[in-house]
Amino acid sequence: QVTLKESGPGILQPSHTLSLTCSFSGFSLSTYGMGVSWIRQPSGKGLEWLASIWWNGNTYNNPSLKSRLTVSKDTSNNQAFLKVTSVDTADTATYYCAHTPITTTSFDYWGQGVMVTVSS
Amino acid sequence: DTVLTQSPALAVSPGERVSISCRASEGVNSYMHWYQQKPGQQPKLLIYKASNLASGVPARFSGSGSGTDFTLTIDPVEADDTATYFCQQSWNDWTFGGGTKLELK
Repeated sequence: QVTLKESGPGILQPSHTLSLTCSFSGFSLSTYGMGVSWIRQPSGKGLEWLASIWWNGNTYNNPSLKSRLTVSKDTSNNQAFLKVTSVDTADTATYYCAHTPITTTSFDYWGQGVMVTVSS
Repeated sequence: DTVLTQSPALAVSPGERVSISCRASEGVNSYMHWYQQKPGQQPKLLIYKASNLASGVPARFSGSGSGTDFTLTIDPVEADDTATYFCQQSWNDWTFGGGTKLELK
């Protein structure tokens, strides 16, 4: 059974760096074909893919945010991480992580999401 | 970026058939997926790779299409299907459509 859960700071100030953790079970990010993706959704708005990391360490970032995003993983502890630098109010959103198998490249299991507010 | 265009809203009566469309700005092969999101919940995968039903999803849901034009069909619609439906492509990175809000009359 695949489960994922996001955790983060809740609120942070503009210009700071947002650090998020995705803790998961039911799969390993060291197994061929496994991936974790990050997606965000401002309140009342649509979904935006941010970044993905694969079992082999390859990463893909949304080109519109590329220089601000860093995705990484800790295989031993079944965690994936996302850092977003220089945040501003436009980064206020619910952030999700999702299991991404290379066989389909869909997001077949999602975490419950973590709300992040950027405010001074 | 591959842009996905969906109509913003639809209203149908329970028991009817509804088709939700998604058009891609360029071909995405069969790498189109559909998600259902209810208020306050995370999205749920319904259809992957255009026409494959995700695990545990009722057979009332089906997907079709290839290239640039795709459709999610619900037949028959039930009251519990009130939600926003998003298409997503994974042929060229990943992008989502703006979502179609389905309301029941």
